[in-house]
Amino acid sequence: DIQMTQSPSTLSASVGDRVTITCRASQSINSWLAWYQQRPGKAPKLLIYKASTLESGVPSRFSGSGSGTEFTLTISSLQPDDFATYYCQQYNIESRTFGQGTKVEIK
Amino acid sequence: EVQLAESGGGLVKPGGSLRLSCVASGFTFGSHGMNWVRQAPGKAPEWVSSISGSGTYINYADSVKGRFTISRDNDENSVYLQMNSLRDEDTAMYYCARGREWLAYFDNWGQGTLVTVSS
Repeated sequence: DIQMTQSPSTLSASVGDRVTITCRASQSINSWLAWYQQRPGKAPKLLIYKASTLESGVPSRFSGSGSGTEFTLTISSLQPDDFATYYCQQYNIESRTFGQGTKVEIK
Repeated sequence: EVQLAESGGGLVKPGGSLRLSCVASGFTFGSHGMNWVRQAPGKAPEWVSSISGSGTYINYADSVKGRFTISRDNDENSVYLQMNSLRDEDTAMYYCARGREWLAYFDNWGQGTLVTVSS
């Protein structure tokens, strides 16, 4: 399986901050990476796929970049709704795997 | 609007069986692969199984291979997960998730159904 490692595990930030989350793959996954947001008690929600393509309806303050083994999710100006846990997921091989998550907390 | 509604979860003893169901609406069901993804309490999601739109192609995670069986009924807009020989480590919220592309990412998720394996 391909291992996905996110950093940091927890991030404390304020409304209006620029936030960056990193996801590293244990081998190259080209651009086959998705990002999800999960609020407490809810299902994950797709934000970005193919590393940088914004899902329809997702605010433009979310952006993704990277290829190969290193990827980032950036929130340009953190909003109250954005305090949640974020997961990356690779789909380079059929056994898809997720990162361990990054919790974005209120500072 | 895409809607996915899971059911069938509950408390089961180790070694027991359970069958999960997911009813879909709001899209052409047979045109999409469907997936089961689970999430143990406080952990990251874990992909469990996928079935293609026609039901021809099926994949399983190694952790459930030989114990779980995925199936679908396109006339009923439903996908199922038969879980046998359940273990403590199968305890999780089980989500039904639609695949936009085969063996890729999950673009819509249900609300989940909780499976607890405990004696």
